[in-house]
Amino acid sequence: SSDLTQPPSVSVSPGQTASITCSGTDLDKKNVYWYHQRPGQSPILVIYQDNQRPTGIPERITGSKSGSTATLTISGTQTMEEGDYFCQTWDTTSLIFGGGTKLTVL
Amino acid sequence: QVLLQVSGPRLVRPAQTLSLTCTLSGGSFSRGGYYWTWIRQHPGKGLEWLGYISYSGTTYYNPSLNGRLSISVDSSENSFSLRLTSVTGADTALYYCARGQGSGIRQWFDPWGQGTQVTVSS
Repeated sequence: SSDLTQPPSVSVSPGQTASITCSGTDLDKKNVYWYHQRPGQSPILVIYQDNQRPTGIPERITGSKSGSTATLTISGTQTMEEGDYFCQTWDTTSLIFGGGTKLTVL
Repeated sequence: QVLLQVSGPRLVRPAQTLSLTCTLSGGSFSRGGYYWTWIRQHPGKGLEWLGYISYSGTTYYNPSLNGRLSISVDSSENSFSLRLTSVTGADTALYYCARGQGSGIRQWFDPWGQGTQVTVSS
């Protein structure tokens, strides 16, 4: 099966822009979804179909894709955006998740 | 607002069957187009998709589970259930239920239930 690779951690200063990448085979041919998980909480969907925001997700959070790399970008990062971020797509037999990126705002 | 609530035993003996139920509120299984899904998270972070049952009753499971998983719906109770047989310590995890949207395995998950920690131990 395919793997999705994310950096283990990303740090950003409050108010700055954070970028989290997700790389995988044939990602240019698949949709990518992103989830945010705060400590002790369930994941919530923040981006679907590469770049679509669910209702209630701020416009500061955007998704993009170039070739086999998808990127989640958070502009004007706030402390409430700390936590783990997971990308997700599918392979030939299963749905798959990236290993997760811990975003620290400091 | 759709809410999902997981219930079931927190401790399961090795080689036994793990059974969990996810109860839906604020919605109905009769409204089609959704996939009722189980996902687990092992200690340390990683998420693993386990399988789903569709609005039409079609099931699809992660092949890595080697036929140990079954998912069913009880519309009268507005719930769906997971049964994982022959469990080992590798099945110790935080188990989530979620509503999938999309088409087949090309789906995303929103919302997620609160998650329940299950430990496999004698």
